[in-house]
Amino acid sequence: AQKVTQAQTEISVVEKEDVTLDCVYETRDTTYYLFWYKQPPSGELVFLIRRNSFDEQNEISGRYSWNFQKSTSSFNFTITASQVVDSAVYFCALSEGSGSGTYKYIFGTGTRLKVLA
Amino acid sequence: EPEVTQTPSHQVTQMGQEVILRCVPISNHLYFYWYRQILGQKVEFLVSFYNNEISEKSEIFDDQFSVERPDGSNFTLKIRSTKLEDSAMYFCAGIRDRVQEQFFGPGTRLTVL
Repeated sequence: AQKVTQAQTEISVVEKEDVTLDCVYETRDTTYYLFWYKQPPSGELVFLIRRNSFDEQNEISGRYSWNFQKSTSSFNFTITASQVVDSAVYFCALSEGSGSGTYKYIFGTGTRLKVLA
Repeated sequence: EPEVTQTPSHQVTQMGQEVILRCVPISNHLYFYWYRQILGQKVEFLVSFYNNEISEKSEIFDDQFSVERPDGSNFTLKIRSTKLEDSAMYFCAGIRDRVQEQFFGPGTRLTVL
């Protein structure tokens, strides 16, 4: 069965601190996709990144970076020099090809990040 | 840039009433989804829809729920007889193929009184 674990329920940091959000997943498939979404207080889901299971290269986008390690089934997200606008709930999600090929997402429980000024 | 739209943004209904939540996916998408997020909780898969039929549904998606794509553009979720526990944010999403991320609509907040 698929599973996504975000063990950190809530994290508070002071502005300009770096913060890492953890995501651990379980899947039996060899082909799967991992995602991070941001949910600001307004409620929409904002796509941040997609990573497929064959690409373990880490990625950096501005202040955001992602570390994908298949050996530990982890896909962690780091925000460097956090800002108040980063305050949101962050969800990690897994998509694998089930027999029906629906590619549905399995979401983690989310991590609420509070960045204090 | 094309986007997914959902109407209404907020729906308030009485327990036992029927509601229809509407979504207009991006026109070249092929796979469509409904997800639910109870306040403060995670986003949960409800149902996926491909080639004009349900391809997968979760345990949440019982006989009170149905989906339709009546005219090739709108994608609707109907709840036949709402319960208090149906109160949640409902998100519609779509993709063209699996190498994409899912494109989510802004959500409909359903409040059942």
